[in-house]
Amino acid sequence: EPEVTQTPSHQVTQMGQEVILRCVPISNHLYFYWYRQILGQKVEFLVSFYNNEISEKSEIFDDQFSVERPDGSNFTLKIRSTKLEDSAMYFCASSPLAEAYNEQFFGPGTRLTVL
Amino acid sequence: AQSVTQPDIHITVSEGASLELRCNYSYGATPYLFWYVQSPGQGLQLLLKYFSGDTLVQGIKGFEAEFKRSQSSFNLRKPSVHWSDAAEYFCAVGGASNYQLIWGAGTKLIIKP
Repeated sequence: EPEVTQTPSHQVTQMGQEVILRCVPISNHLYFYWYRQILGQKVEFLVSFYNNEISEKSEIFDDQFSVERPDGSNFTLKIRSTKLEDSAMYFCASSPLAEAYNEQFFGPGTRLTVL
Repeated sequence: AQSVTQPDIHITVSEGASLELRCNYSYGATPYLFWYVQSPGQGLQLLLKYFSGDTLVQGIKGFEAEFKRSQSSFNLRKPSVHWSDAAEYFCAVGGASNYQLIWGAGTKLIIKP
């Protein structure tokens, strides 16, 4: 069964450094998402991406964040200058079509630790 | 304000017992409702979803949920839990006009042997 994959599973970085989190969505999916979950808190939406552009983003997704689909398979989340409060589990998801009722398929997450 | 409330942080049930996990939502438009499960080290897996029609929906792994508009609830049930059901369960709401999901805080299910 096809699945969303994410690398790395755990990333440790120093405050102020740039990080890139990588995701490979399911191959025939068209909509891509990033969510994050700070330890002990709710899952929060960051951004959705369709047709090579951002379709929605939350207040969390400020200028420090960017997303890219550099090739036909990868979907990346970049944090330019990490802060301590960026420490969280980051989930990538994809869905096959644009309709909201489509299931979002989630990857296993990348745990980001900012020291 | 749009929100999802899962009032129980932890629930402990005996194997073979019935289960109900509570979810209440606040959403300004017609809600699309979801239950996801997360096992340790795993991603979020969809258990079931409701968009319209029959208010009792069946999902995978023997789970079902009932949408009650008057109570703004979408509680998850299972008649007999198995040890493999131990996981964290998340309720989420979305809408037709946007694609982001709004999540509850999750309920951790613990199974007693």
